[in-house]
Amino acid sequence: QVQLVQSGAEVRKPGASVKVSCKASGYTFTSYAIHWVRQAPGQRLEWMGWINAGNGNTYYSEKFQGRVTITRDTSASTAYMELTSLRSEDTAVYYCARLVVFPMSNWFDPWGQGTLVTVSS
Amino acid sequence: QSVLTQPPSVSGAPGQRVTISCTGNSSNIGAHYDVNWYQQLPGTAPKLLIYGNTNRPSGVPDRFSGSKSGTSASLAITGLQAEDEADYYCQSYDSSLSDWVFGGGSKLTVL
Repeated sequence: QVQLVQSGAEVRKPGASVKVSCKASGYTFTSYAIHWVRQAPGQRLEWMGWINAGNGNTYYSEKFQGRVTITRDTSASTAYMELTSLRSEDTAVYYCARLVVFPMSNWFDPWGQGTLVTVSS
Repeated sequence: QSVLTQPPSVSGAPGQRVTISCTGNSSNIGAHYDVNWYQQLPGTAPKLLIYGNTNRPSGVPDRFSGSKSGTSASLAITGLQAEDEADYYCQSYDSSLSDWVFGGGSKLTVL
């Protein structure tokens, strides 16, 4: 079955960086984009950016531009999201999700299980 | 502040019908971009519930239905069950932001 499995929880100090992985299985990795969405404790879902797993092109939300880098390793069917200059407000669960595209429509399915990133001194 | 506006909470008794609204503007829902809905059970990742405004993935009960009109969309849940207690998020695309956008989420309580 189509599945996205993320790396485990991370704890970082303010100013540090974190890199979260998202391993895909059950489909052709390069045929779909992978998006990253985060959710701070008790807060809404917040879209961060995406990567075209086929050609590696990326696009980031203006809010995270300059601090986030999304990459992929096609040989490992894995996407990565690195966030730098961490601050306490970046404490959140980070999700990857596959974007399914249909003519005139698209949606996220499935989602990874989430990775908790805690930023604390 | 979310681009898409949802009520923070909704509630209903078992067996009843509830609706959750999602209001956008002319750059997202009103620009003919489809609305999708996700269900997030406590402590879990979001799960696709409705895609393309009205379509249910296989495995989603027909108690769940979606609709869209103008700059708004709605999720309806009939025959409420205790297992429906969750957070529900609408999602679309915004052409002025060039971003995928989510609603603030609605917490459903089954009384």
